[in-house]
Amino acid sequence: QVQLQESGPGLVKPSQTLSLTCTVSGGSISSGSYYWSWIRQPAGKGLEWIGRIYASGGTNYNPSLQSRVTISVDTSKNQFSLNLSSVTATDTAVYYCAREQTGVVRPFDYWGQGTLVTVSS
Amino acid sequence: DIQMTQSPSSLSASVGDRVTITCRASQGISTYLNWYQQKPGKAPNLLIYAASSLQSGVPSRFSGSGSGTDFTLTISSLQPEDFATYYCQQSYTTPRTFGQGTKLEIK
Repeated sequence: QVQLQESGPGLVKPSQTLSLTCTVSGGSISSGSYYWSWIRQPAGKGLEWIGRIYASGGTNYNPSLQSRVTISVDTSKNQFSLNLSSVTATDTAVYYCAREQTGVVRPFDYWGQGTLVTVSS
Repeated sequence: DIQMTQSPSSLSASVGDRVTITCRASQGISTYLNWYQQKPGKAPNLLIYAASSLQSGVPSRFSGSGSGTDFTLTISSLQPEDFATYYCQQSYTTPRTFGQGTKLEIK
């Protein structure tokens, strides 16, 4: 059974960089069959896709965040990470990591439990 | 970006009711449409992928249909555990986008 677990600081100061890591267990992040994504959800609001990475290191980002986002992968640790720079209060949200299937059908089939990140001084 | 619009935004229904939620894409997305259920404090859970395929372990009372721009999620007979928020999501292109959600509440 694949499991994803987010980790990182729950409080980040404005203008600093938000850094989160997702640890994957029960399967290899190096599998060529999946993308590894970050998705966020402000309290009481909908879901926003931040971006994704492939095991080879190829990335796609949401244009709305592209100038501030970096997603990286560490296959030796079976982890992928999110860096979001120059954060403001509007970046306060629950951040999820998720696995997206490649191929013809491409749903997010496994999700982490989510981690709340608050941007505040 | 492809905009996904769900209707209604909220819905009150009773146990045993048949419920339909609609999702419309701002451009054609073939059948690259997925549905998720989210309960408070939990991550979304995949229900339907590729517009009409039931994810393993999901009860058969859930079904999906549609192609192009118009899609529906139907729950044939509501159970107490189905009261939650439902999201559609397109996987046709990046950036991936979600509908705004439909909150299903007990009448």
